[in-house]
Amino acid sequence: GAGVSQSPSNKVTEKGKDVELRCDPISGHTALYWYRQSLGQGLEFLIYFQGNSAPDKSGLPSDRFSAERTGGSVSTLTIQRTQQEDSAVYLCASSQNPGRETQYFGPGTRLLVL
Amino acid sequence: GESVGLHLPTLSVQEGDNSIINCAYSNSASDYFIWYKQESGKGPQFIIDIRSNMDKRQGQRVTVLLNKTVKHLSLQIAATQPGDSAVYFCAEIGEYGNKLVFGAGTILRVKS
Repeated sequence: GAGVSQSPSNKVTEKGKDVELRCDPISGHTALYWYRQSLGQGLEFLIYFQGNSAPDKSGLPSDRFSAERTGGSVSTLTIQRTQQEDSAVYLCASSQNPGRETQYFGPGTRLLVL
Repeated sequence: GESVGLHLPTLSVQEGDNSIINCAYSNSASDYFIWYKQESGKGPQFIIDIRSNMDKRQGQRVTVLLNKTVKHLSLQIAATQPGDSAVYFCAEIGEYGNKLVFGAGTILRVKS
């Protein structure tokens, strides 16, 4: 079946602009996660959604970052007033259920802030 | 906390040899572990997982070993192939389960 999809695959923006990144999880998966992978760094957790519960935002690096998940499916990660240090690959993952279950990743969005 | 580093360790193996990739995890309360493979320009791909009530699990050409005493995880790849060349990450989920905490990654290079 279809895996996790993300768009755009690449995004180049100017410092100070806002960007929106989209994630379509695997159909039927209730849990959705955003991670960031910076050059030379590992993957770091950003935010987690599960059903109608309040999201776990503990990994968001600043208040310029926000995310929403509409209808329990598609999610959008928004970065306001982008900075050069926001340049990274933003990865979305989903799992059928929350907790100790395999998370399946999308291909990522490569963001470059000039 | 998370492991980060600018220079990933590299393991170079000859095609057909076995590979062993190691990972030390930090949280003794973690009870679920996953190995991911990431090829250039792609997202991490699930390889194999193991729960803390096991110390070994086998898949197709891969075996994961878990030593909870020393908080160590390893991935063994049998008969390594050129297509196995990638960065390999271990990840753990802790007691409050949900987010994955990733290791720094290991580059596997397979020489033909």
